[in-house]
Amino acid sequence: ETGVTQSPTHLIKTRGQQVTLRCSSQSGHNTVSWYQQALGQGPQFIFQYYREEENGRGNFPPRFSGLQFPNYSSELNVNALELDDSALYLCASSRTGVGNEQFFGPGTRLTVL
Amino acid sequence: GENVEQHPSTLSVQEGDSAVIKCTYSDSASNYFPWYKQELGKGPQLIIDIRSNVGEKKDQRIAVTLNKTAKHFSLHITETQPEDSAVYFCAASPDSWGKLQFGAGTQVVVTP
Repeated sequence: ETGVTQSPTHLIKTRGQQVTLRCSSQSGHNTVSWYQQALGQGPQFIFQYYREEENGRGNFPPRFSGLQFPNYSSELNVNALELDDSALYLCASSRTGVGNEQFFGPGTRLTVL
Repeated sequence: GENVEQHPSTLSVQEGDSAVIKCTYSDSASNYFPWYKQELGKGPQLIIDIRSNVGEKKDQRIAVTLNKTAKHFSLHITETQPEDSAVYFCAASPDSWGKLQFGAGTQVVVTP
């Protein structure tokens, strides 16, 4: 069984740029959630995707957007990057209807200069 | 929305001793409470979880207790080992979709 994978591992961008992060969900999982983890803090829920539609969103502005594809993989897009967007971005997958267990990938470390 | 508070922020224990981490939540609708372990440079790893219809759950050296009336839940690690050193996060979810609200984390250091 393949776990959650994310790419790239690290990324450096400058203010105002746009970034796309990618996630492949665990085999058999159909729901993907994205979280932002600032240094020294707990992960914060950004949004969740199910059946290629956004299924709930946390307190993040519209410049954070996402996609889910038919194979359940997902992308997180952030436009107009700000310094405060520097964080570890985590993707978690789960299987709807079989409990709430979410399994996380290793994350993408984004640095905005 | 849900707010989860976690204490202590750091915990230092001698190998073989027990460690206890406590969390409180605010939303009475929350019904799923997982605990994650995060090692340096890695994503959070689910170590144990509990649902609102259960008061206690145990898995080898790890146990979790839930008090729905008081809105608090705790993680207990017995016979700690150096490999238990990591950051531990509690979380709560108010729906069946598993959208998690995390606590701020507890840095656990187990000294030999």
